[in-house]
Amino acid sequence: DAGVIQSPRHEVTEMGQEVTLRCKPISGHDYLFWYRQTMMRGLELLIYFNNNVPIDDSGMPEDRFSAKMPNASFSTLKIQPSEPRDSAVYFCASRLGRQTAGELFFGEGSRLTVL
Amino acid sequence: GDSVTQMEGPVTLSEEAFLTINCTYTATGYPSLFWYVQYPGEGLQLLLKATKADDKGSNKGFEATYRKETTSFHLEKGSVQVSDSAVYFCALSDRAGGFKTIFGAGTRLFVKA
Repeated sequence: DAGVIQSPRHEVTEMGQEVTLRCKPISGHDYLFWYRQTMMRGLELLIYFNNNVPIDDSGMPEDRFSAKMPNASFSTLKIQPSEPRDSAVYFCASRLGRQTAGELFFGEGSRLTVL
Repeated sequence: GDSVTQMEGPVTLSEEAFLTINCTYTATGYPSLFWYVQYPGEGLQLLLKATKADDKGSNKGFEATYRKETTSFHLEKGSVQVSDSAVYFCALSDRAGGFKTIFGAGTRLFVKA
């Protein structure tokens, strides 16, 4: 398997523009997580899905952020409008099964810079 | 809610030195505990895990023991190498927390030759 695939790897945009980050989880994994990593706040869980259904979006910072998972092989995280404070590395991760000991498999991340 | 606290970095060591990175947790249930490692420019990858009290997770010379009485899961390695330079994250996953994985802030390790 190719692992978790994220795109784009790097995105530079201007404040106010819409940003869409994409994730393809490992085939067969039924949990998908979106995390944001910054120097100040570390690794924050934004939202996670189980079988394509959002389970907990309490980490989404505000209404400018939205996430969807239209099918088992694709998820998007959208920021509209973007702001400089959204600059971060966004990671997608997937996991197999409803188990606390399950390993998360991470993508390589999407580095977002908002000017 | 659940939380993970780990020692702040960066930690700078000479090659072959002993490493300890402290991690403590708060959880409403009985969590599984993890250490993940992130090399520059990459995503996180699992280093080791433990699922119950007194379990010891180990991998690549790293070890951590699940201590329920002190709610701790400290990472140790007897002799670090330059190639161990990375950011290390302590994490937990808890049924009561909805099976999501919560991470500590990360500790950056630099190992000098």
